[in-house]
Amino acid sequence: AQSVSQHNHHVILSEAASLELGCNYSYGGTVNLFWYVQYPGQHLQLLLKYFSGDPLVKGIKGFEAEFIKSKFSFNLRKPSVQWSDTAEYFCAVTLDSNYQLIWGAGTKLIIKP
Amino acid sequence: NAGVTQTPKFQVLKTGQSMTLQCAQDMNHNSMYWYRQDPGMGLRLIYYSASEGTTDKGEVPNGYNVSRLNKREFSLRLESAAPSQTSVYFCASTRTGNYEQYFGPGTRLTVT
Repeated sequence: AQSVSQHNHHVILSEAASLELGCNYSYGGTVNLFWYVQYPGQHLQLLLKYFSGDPLVKGIKGFEAEFIKSKFSFNLRKPSVQWSDTAEYFCAVTLDSNYQLIWGAGTKLIIKP
Repeated sequence: NAGVTQTPKFQVLKTGQSMTLQCAQDMNHNSMYWYRQDPGMGLRLIYYSASEGTTDKGEVPNGYNVSRLNKREFSLRLESAAPSQTSVYFCASTRTGNYEQYFGPGTRLTVT
């Protein structure tokens, strides 16, 4: 079965540190890729998405992600994190033209002030 | 626009009790979804409705039923709650042809 792997379940960083969260999927066909974020006490919201074109996509709040097809990866990055980035981050994938999302387990990010 | 709304926000049930979780969206979206979120497991799809009048099982449908009452509303029913159904439940919706899902605030359900 197709799956999405997020390698780190918990990440703790200090403010101003650089961030990279890993996401890998297991599917050789066409994919659409998403990162969602869930701030404490809030609902999930879209951070960024990739459908086609430039594999480096920019999202809200200074986040970006790079799609590397050969590595089946879609890692999330931010050059300098802030305390307000404390949240849980989810990678998700749709396969071909199927609209159902397959979700990773999530990464809890804690930023120390 | 309120977006996607869910009621209740919190619920505690005893084993064997039943309840219905309500979800409504005001974005005129065709597709609606119910997920459960458990620690370390991400979101798992329970049921979805591609359009009014249709529903389909997702990854973990056992113990649940759904009703797509109209285009706006999609309810999730637990007929006989079990402790394994303790979870946070999210409703989501999306426009046909659009992959981005919009989520409600969630319902935290505890079954004792």
